[in-house]
Amino acid sequence: DILMTQSPSTLSASVGDRITITCRASQSISTWLAWYQRKPGTAPKLLIYKASILESGVPSRFSGSGSGTEFTLTISSLQPDDFATYYCQQYDSVLYTFGQGTKLEI
Amino acid sequence: EVQLVESGGGLVKPGGSLRLSCATSGFTFDNYIINWVRQAPGRGLEWVSSIGGGNRNIYYGDSVKGRFTISRDSAKKSLYLQMNSLRVEDTAIYYCAREGGSGRRYLDHWGQGTLVTVSS
Repeated sequence: DILMTQSPSTLSASVGDRITITCRASQSISTWLAWYQRKPGTAPKLLIYKASILESGVPSRFSGSGSGTEFTLTISSLQPDDFATYYCQQYDSVLYTFGQGTKLEI
Repeated sequence: EVQLVESGGGLVKPGGSLRLSCATSGFTFDNYIINWVRQAPGRGLEWVSSIGGGNRNIYYGDSVKGRFTISRDSAKKSLYLQMNSLRVEDTAIYYCAREGGSGRRYLDHWGQGTLVTVSS
């Protein structure tokens, strides 16, 4: 199975900050990567797919980049609603795998 | 509007069985691959299983292979997960999640989840 590793596990930031979360794959996955946001008590929400394509309705302050084995999720100016846990997921293999998550804290 | 609604969760003893259901609406059911994803308490998301239209292209994660069986019913537009030989570590919220369709294999719509607790 393809192992996905996110860093950091926890990130403390303030409203207005620019933050970056990294996701690394144990083997090349081209750009077959998605990012999800999860808040307590709610279902995960798709933010970005194919490494850099913003899902419809997702604010433009979110962006993704990368290919092969290294990927990033950037939030350009944190808003109060952005404090959540973020997950990357590879779908290069039919056996999907998620990163362990990055909790974004105030 | 695309909707997925899970049901069937509950408390079960180790070694027991449970069947989860996911009722769907708002899209052409047969055209989409649908997945089960779970989140154990204090843990991250874990992909469990996926199934394509016509009960084809079925895949399982290593932790559930041989114990869980995924299926779907086109007439009822529903997805199922039969869970046997349950273990304490299967305790989690189970989500059904639809893929984007037409080869777009990211998970674009999710249900709200159903809680499975495995405990003696």
